[in-house]
Amino acid sequence: EDQVTQSPEALRLQEGESSSLNCSYTVSGLRGLFWYRQDPGKGPEFLFTLYSAGEEKEKERLKATLTKKESFLHITAPKPEDSATYLCAVQAIGRLGGGYNKLIFGAGTRLAVHP
Amino acid sequence: DAGVIQSPRHEVTEMGQEVTLRCKPISGHDYLFWYRQTMMRGLELLIYFNNNVPIDDSGMPEDRFSAKMPNASFSTLKIQPSEPRDSAVYFCASSLGGLHTFGSGTRLTVV
Repeated sequence: EDQVTQSPEALRLQEGESSSLNCSYTVSGLRGLFWYRQDPGKGPEFLFTLYSAGEEKEKERLKATLTKKESFLHITAPKPEDSATYLCAVQAIGRLGGGYNKLIFGAGTRLAVHP
Repeated sequence: DAGVIQSPRHEVTEMGQEVTLRCKPISGHDYLFWYRQTMMRGLELLIYFNNNVPIDDSGMPEDRFSAKMPNASFSTLKIQPSEPRDSAVYFCASSLGGLHTFGSGTRLTVV
């Protein structure tokens, strides 16, 4: 069964204190791994898509990396405005090898960055 | 583009009443998804459509839940009758390819 596990559940950082969030996944065939940010009272907002092991993507203070079993979201010198829940999701390749758009989400990591 | 539009933003209803949630996807997107989010279970996929056709409804919890997509620009999720355990935030998302764009959600409270 396809599964996504995120850790830690919650993370408290001081402003400027770099850290990493983990997303471990089990999927029959990975089509893509997605990172989303969710602010309270809002829908998830897209951050990154990673497609193959070794791939990395960056956006401001965030960098996402991918291996065959997990993905990391590295946060460098975070600011209070980075406080949010970060969601990881995988998209599996369909049984017939075609596109399969369903995303399977992890439970998320709640990040709080304090000044 | 205004993004994915959901209505209402908040809904409070009494147990046993019918509830209808509405979604307008992004124009041109060929997939539409309904998710439910709770503290206990996180974000769960309920059902999704491709080109207005339901593809996978295995996440719909019970027969009390139904979803329709009569055309490419509108979808509804209906709960009849509603129960307190249906209280959650319901999200609609649309996509072209793999990337989902989410709406702002409908917070449903069943009392």
